[in-house]
Amino acid sequence: AQSVTQPDIHITVSEGASLELRCNYSYGATPYLFWYVQSPGQGLQLLLKYFSGDTLVQGIKGFEAEFKRSQSSFNLRKPSVHWSDAAEYFCAVGVPTGGGNKLTFGTGTQLKVEL
Amino acid sequence: DAGVIQSPRHEVTEMGQEVTLRCKPISGHNSLFWYRQTMMRGLELLIYFNNNVPIDDSGMPEDRFSAKMPNASFSTLKIQPSEPRDSAVYFCASIITSGNEQFFGPGTRLTVL
Repeated sequence: AQSVTQPDIHITVSEGASLELRCNYSYGATPYLFWYVQSPGQGLQLLLKYFSGDTLVQGIKGFEAEFKRSQSSFNLRKPSVHWSDAAEYFCAVGVPTGGGNKLTFGTGTQLKVEL
Repeated sequence: DAGVIQSPRHEVTEMGQEVTLRCKPISGHNSLFWYRQTMMRGLELLIYFNNNVPIDDSGMPEDRFSAKMPNASFSTLKIQPSEPRDSAVYFCASIITSGNEQFFGPGTRLTVL
C-alpha cells in the first residue's frame, strides 16, 4: 500500500527566507504526486502536481517541487516566503482508479512565517 | 463556478443523534470523494463514487457510517448514531474522470458532545 511521510510537523521561517518542505513516499509504481495547501478553516487547494516528464514542476504562488525517484522524495520549495504563505501543507500520492486518483495524504507540515 | 459546496459548515450534536452531511460536486465532475480530517489520523479517505456508484468504501470506519449519491449533483454522508470520536472535519472533493486534480469543498466541522 502507498504511504506518505512528512517528517516536519512544524516549520518556522522568516519572511523573505527560502523554504523547503520535505515529503517522502512509498509506492510500488510510478507515483502521481501532489502538494496541497490548507489555510485555517478552509479546504485544500492544489499547489502543484507531478505525473511524468520534467522532474521539476512549477506550481501556483511561486512554489516548485522536485521529484527524485532515487530518494522517493517530492520536496516543496519556495525561494522567498511571504507572510500569506502561513498555512498547513500536505503532500499526497495518487493511485489511479476508475474514477480519478485515490489520494493518500501525509500528516501535514504547519508553516509559520515570522515577520 | 461555485466550486464544491458542502453543508452545513458547522454541526454540533449530541451523542446518539443522527448526523447528515451534504455535498454538491462541481457540475460535470463524475467522481466524488469523502474525507475525514482529525488531529490524530490526519486526512483519511472514507469512500468514493464514480458515476454515482460507490467504488471503494474500505475507509468507512464502521457500520454507523453510510454514504449515498442519488444523482450526479448530490451526495450525503450519514452517521447514525454519532459518537464523540466522530468529531472531525469532513471534506468532500470531486474530479472529472479524465482529469487529475481533486477539487475540495470547504469542509464540515462536526462536533459530537
